Amino acid sequence: DTGVSQDPRHKITKRGQNVTFRCDPISEHNRLYWYRQTLGQGPEFLTYFQNEAQLEKSRLLSDRFSAERPKGSFSTLEIQRTEQGDSAMYLCASSLELGQGVNEQFFGPGTRLTVL
Amino acid sequence: DAKTTQPNSMESNEEEPVHLPCNHSTISGTDYIHWYRQLPSQGPEYVIHGLTSNVNNRMASLAIAEDRKSSTLILHRATLRDAAVYYCILGWGYKLSFGAGTTVTVRA
Repeated sequence: DTGVSQDPRHKITKRGQNVTFRCDPISEHNRLYWYRQTLGQGPEFLTYFQNEAQLEKSRLLSDRFSAERPKGSFSTLEIQRTEQGDSAMYLCASSLELGQGVNEQFFGPGTRLTVL
Repeated sequence: DAKTTQPNSMESNEEEPVHLPCNHSTISGTDYIHWYRQLPSQGPEYVIHGLTSNVNNRMASLAIAEDRKSSTLILHRATLRDAAVYYCILGWGYKLSFGAGTTVTVRA
């Protein structure tokens, strides 16, 4: 099964450190999304890519956050100078958009970040 | 984004149907109604979506009110594996705006 994969699954870091997460979408999917989920809440949209272009960023994505999808395949999400408030589950999703209505998003298992 | 209102929780017995309501009185004409669910310790998974007409797939049915201000997700025979948080989401295109969802508990 070649679903969406994320690495690492868990990350514990100290406040002020930088962390980077990776997402590998389903291979033929041209859209990739990042979401953040805190305990007891639904996921919140952070950003998305159409191929390698980052088309929208939520205001939740502060300057300390950066996302890339260099060749339109895998994506990375980097958080610089982590803060305790960054502790959350970071979810990646992908979809195949053909310009014909709404298409389902396929989610990965997430990376759980804990900032001490 | 248009808002949805869902009950916080619902309980069901195994092999009985589950009807999950969602109110969305401010829905716009282009908003699709999406349902996703999230099993414990997993990412969300797509369940179903619709615009105006009722929809069926292998997982569930979606009944949409004629005025589109409410909808109901129907799980025809609940199993223990259906215990999850179910999210009703409005939107068109790429951005899913999740609320807190409905936590469904299935009793054996």
